[in-house]
Amino acid sequence: DGGITQSPKYLFRKEGQNVTLSCEQNLNHDAMYWYRQDPGQGLRLIYYSQIVNDFQKGDIAEGYSVSREKKESFPLTVTSAQKNPTAFYLCASRNTDTQYFGPGTRLTVL
Amino acid sequence: AQSVAQPEDQVNVAEGNPLTVKCTYSVSGNPYLFWYVQYPNRGLQFLLKYITGDNLVKGSYGFEAEFNKSQTSFHLKKPSALVSDSALYFCAVSLRGGYQKVTFGTGTKLQVIP
Repeated sequence: DGGITQSPKYLFRKEGQNVTLSCEQNLNHDAMYWYRQDPGQGLRLIYYSQIVNDFQKGDIAEGYSVSREKKESFPLTVTSAQKNPTAFYLCASRNTDTQYFGPGTRLTVL
Repeated sequence: AQSVAQPEDQVNVAEGNPLTVKCTYSVSGNPYLFWYVQYPNRGLQFLLKYITGDNLVKGSYGFEAEFNKSQTSFHLKKPSALVSDSALYFCAVSLRGGYQKVTFGTGTKLQVIP
């Protein structure tokens, strides 16, 4: 987990609310990623960014948004359009070949 | 399209015995292959990777994996299991070059029995 921080560790959202998950890295990696983890489904890619001010949708981008204004930061917003947001969210950054992960944020919808 | 299969949802092994966690992959080109470990409510920790060269790759905590191109497999192994190895293990694949998409398997839960 070293070098990548995610906050908060636990997050609770009410129906209809937008929430933002923070991801910061000090590894000087260009690429950053957001994954969603559900039991028995492995990791699914939400969004990724290969460079500042640029990002692409992953496999399950609907209901999510991101920004990449700084190399170190890649926040994820879970919008009210995401109908089933309860999950464990993992941020990663990547050097030329290997991804390194943060400690994760567990989001629960009340 | 690329994919990863981890055929066993759970592997049970006695402490001190050798362990194997299986992984097969499908990719159109030369792969990068990875193993990660996840403890409860934690992020994924990198264990080892195959990029090129020697087919036997050694990683953290005594783990190793063998790249077998003909069988498209990358099984994770350890000669002597510890109770502390009990965790969720993920295999992953990507194509070589640039920031190619990484595809993960669904994970295998390893239970080491004292």
